[in-house]
Amino acid sequence: EADIYQTPRYLVIGTGKKITLECSQTMGHDKMYWYQQDPGMELHLIHYSYGVNSTEKGDLSSESTVSRIRTEHFPLTLESARPSHTSQYLCASSALTGNTGELFFGEGSRLTVL
Amino acid sequence: QKEVEQNSGPLSVPEGAIASLNCTYSDRGSQSFFWYRQYSGKSPELIMFIYSNGDKEDGRFTAQLNKASQYVSLLIRDSQPSDSATYLCAVRFGNQFYFGTGTSLTVIP
Repeated sequence: EADIYQTPRYLVIGTGKKITLECSQTMGHDKMYWYQQDPGMELHLIHYSYGVNSTEKGDLSSESTVSRIRTEHFPLTLESARPSHTSQYLCASSALTGNTGELFFGEGSRLTVL
Repeated sequence: QKEVEQNSGPLSVPEGAIASLNCTYSDRGSQSFFWYRQYSGKSPELIMFIYSNGDKEDGRFTAQLNKASQYVSLLIRDSQPSDSATYLCAVRFGNQFYFGTGTSLTVIP
């Protein structure tokens, strides 16, 4: 059972608002990831981190930002939400060691921007 | 660009049958391979992982890996309606995971 938590699970917000999606894991994993997924569509990597104070942008361009001040915490922030940001955001973590290490997902945060 | 391709689906099988899901990947340096199940509106759930050539069995699920052919598959025996979901193949290369677009499986009672 993976111990990775996302809040809020659902959020409906107006255009222009600032939002932060929280992600925490209790497994001590170094690697954490944010994916974006529209309904019925594929996963797109938007941010990742290999450890504290390490963050990188993923393959999909995103207006969001992330921070990694603590190992267990990897929040994602949108400074000014727009309807185009409506999507499901999935946080994941992994303890990659050599050839082993699985990727575990949180339950997701479904964002709707009106 | 590392590519992961899955049979397009959707796939429908009768209850009790074997469902076969296939995945190919482009990079020979890929290190480990995963199958995730995703129910509609939910997050992906890891059901199998495999690191070495050959078969790996876990209950009704069997993952098969052939690195020479760059091919990984998932067999679901005695399919149940609760297996109806989208199945995502994922390949790890370095610290990154690359996902296929998924195959939708429907098990018909």
